[in-house]
Amino acid sequence: QSVLTQPPSASGTPGQRVTISCSGSSSNIGSNYVYWYQQLPGTAPKLLIYRNNQRPSGVPDRFSGSKSGTSASLAISGLRSEDEADYYCAAWDDSLSGSWVFGGGTKLTVL
Amino acid sequence: QVQLVESGGGVVQPGRSLRLSCAASGFTFSSYGMHWVRQAPGKGLEWVAVISYDGSNKYYADSVKGRFTISRDNSKNTLYLQMNSLRAEDTAVYYCAKEALVYSRVPNWFDPWGQGTLVTVSS
Repeated sequence: QSVLTQPPSASGTPGQRVTISCSGSSSNIGSNYVYWYQQLPGTAPKLLIYRNNQRPSGVPDRFSGSKSGTSASLAISGLRSEDEADYYCAAWDDSLSGSWVFGGGTKLTVL
Repeated sequence: QVQLVESGGGVVQPGRSLRLSCAASGFTFSSYGMHWVRQAPGKGLEWVAVISYDGSNKYYADSVKGRFTISRDNSKNTLYLQMNSLRAEDTAVYYCAKEALVYSRVPNWFDPWGQGTLVTVSS
């Protein structure tokens, strides 16, 4: 059971806009930044969004992140076939001695 | 460019030990904290441990605390994960990842990641 909660799957057709949610608590998302990682099949995760809504250089502006309270979301507009991947949210959790926590991941299918 | 190459994975019996290595290049290794993150087959990501840039601070996930030890040799640009008392549930691909911010003593994110090394714990 992951500390952050994501829907296990999402889907859309090319050109559509899809959003993936990530729900946490006051000790993680509520008080720290949220990060999003994309994992293409058979590859290592890649940073997609940092500090809630910042895109690293090279990440298309079709990808955007937002955070409100203890929840966050990743939006992908103009969906493309190459966006088919697993997406994970992550945040630092202040409880006890502190740790990084991840969502369970959302498998995005481009129909 | 930043390159992280993990090694040391393999098949090991329950209760035995294994040491993973992560060779770093393309950046000033001694200036960045480093993480280990694992992924069980077909499952999601689980953070394992982090070590500060100078090795003075280490934090572990509860699931590995007391069994795993993270360390680094800045003279060799190498990160390690000593895994003792291995269990079947430790079976996973283990990734090393570099922290994003230099000389940081506060939690910051992982970027980039290595390609991973598979550890299988089985009798």
